[in-house]
Amino acid sequence: KQEVTQIPAALSVPEGENLVLNCSFTDSAIYNLQWFRQDPGKGLTSLLLIQSSQREQTSGRLNASLDKSSGRSTLYIAASQPGDSATYLCAVRGGRGGSEKLVFGKGTKLTVNP
Amino acid sequence: GAVVSQHPSWVICKSGTSVKIECRSLDFQATTMFWYRQFPKQSLMLMATSNEGSKATYEQGVEKDKFLINHASLTLSTLTVTSAHPEDSSFYICSARDLGAGNTIYFGEGSWLTVV
Repeated sequence: KQEVTQIPAALSVPEGENLVLNCSFTDSAIYNLQWFRQDPGKGLTSLLLIQSSQREQTSGRLNASLDKSSGRSTLYIAASQPGDSATYLCAVRGGRGGSEKLVFGKGTKLTVNP
Repeated sequence: GAVVSQHPSWVICKSGTSVKIECRSLDFQATTMFWYRQFPKQSLMLMATSNEGSKATYEQGVEKDKFLINHASLTLSTLTVTSAHPEDSSFYICSARDLGAGNTIYFGEGSWLTVV
């Protein structure tokens, strides 16, 4: 059974800092991995999608990497801003058996202080 | 990016009544949609996979007779919570997979259900 772990559970940084969020998964046979942002009481916004054959994806100040063999992904946020404050969720699709379901981590709650 | 719309955003209903939540993909066709529920400070829990034109696939422990899912068209899936109880109060989120965008999953804004 696929399990996704995110550390840290919460992170507080001053504005302008670069930071890294970590995600690990137990079954490396994934189809893809996706990073989402969730604001309090809101739905999810897709940030980056990395296919299993890819090593990283970039969008603006965000860079996500994937090391499938070791079951790890990182989300790098450059020059953080207060508007980046949210919960960041990592989700993987697939695993042994070819599941199409997304399995989520519990998220990292990020607070960027002005 | 693609948009998935959920309606209503929030709803309050009396215990014992039924409530329907809609999930629409606005600019793409979605043969598969997913329904999740999220309790405070918890991650998303998949309830069921909704397949256009066929029966939904429910996760273990989810009552199919209580959470009715209908995926009647390529752009609409509905979740009906029947005979709602206070413990059904939660945040319900749907998602849809866009096959034309590398299987990217897009989520709706979620629906807050409060059963009183």
